[in-house]
Amino acid sequence: AQSVTQPDIHITVSEGASLELRCNYSYGATPYLFWYVQSPGQGLQLLLKYFSGDTLVQGIKGFEAEFKRSQSSFNLRKPSVHWSDAAEYFCAVGTLKAAGNKLTFGGGTRVLVKP
Amino acid sequence: DAGVTQSPTHLIKTRGQQVTLRCSPKSGHDTVSWYQQALGQGPQFIFQYYEEEERQRGNFPDRFSGHQFPNYSSELNVNALLLGDSALYLCASRGPPANVLTFGAGSRLTVL
Repeated sequence: AQSVTQPDIHITVSEGASLELRCNYSYGATPYLFWYVQSPGQGLQLLLKYFSGDTLVQGIKGFEAEFKRSQSSFNLRKPSVHWSDAAEYFCAVGTLKAAGNKLTFGGGTRVLVKP
Repeated sequence: DAGVTQSPTHLIKTRGQQVTLRCSPKSGHDTVSWYQQALGQGPQFIFQYYEEEERQRGNFPDRFSGHQFPNYSSELNVNALLLGDSALYLCASRGPPANVLTFGAGSRLTVL
């Protein structure tokens, strides 16, 4: 069975500082990996995805993520955080057979941005 | 271009009642999935509809049922509500050309 672990429940970062959110997954085949962001009272917005190819993927809002098969990780990074990045971030893995339909999500990491 | 729209945005029910949530997919999308997000947790997959049939189902009891209409819109029905059904219910649609989901803002259900 597939699973996703986000080890950090909360992260506090100063505005302008760098941010890295960890994601580890367990999956028996080639994973389709995603990062979503959720602002309070909102749905999920896709930040970026990895299907194949280059293991460093660029997303929206200045985010990037690196797929490391050997570590079963897909960590999200941003070089310089803005106050508007305060939100909850979810890592997810999808099946190859029905990619984009059935996603398994991690528990999320809440990011707080200090001025 | 309207994205995924869900209704109602908020609703309150009591234990034992039944609820119906509605979803209109993004224009051009033909597949709809439903997710339950309990407070402080990540979303959990309930089921997926394509061509008006349930194609995949997560680990949810039969009290959770759904429907997809010819215009691709969908409903989620929950019978015999329990306190534990209180959650944000998210609808997501998918369509060509990419295998990604577009999520709606959700329907927040409170069961008292």
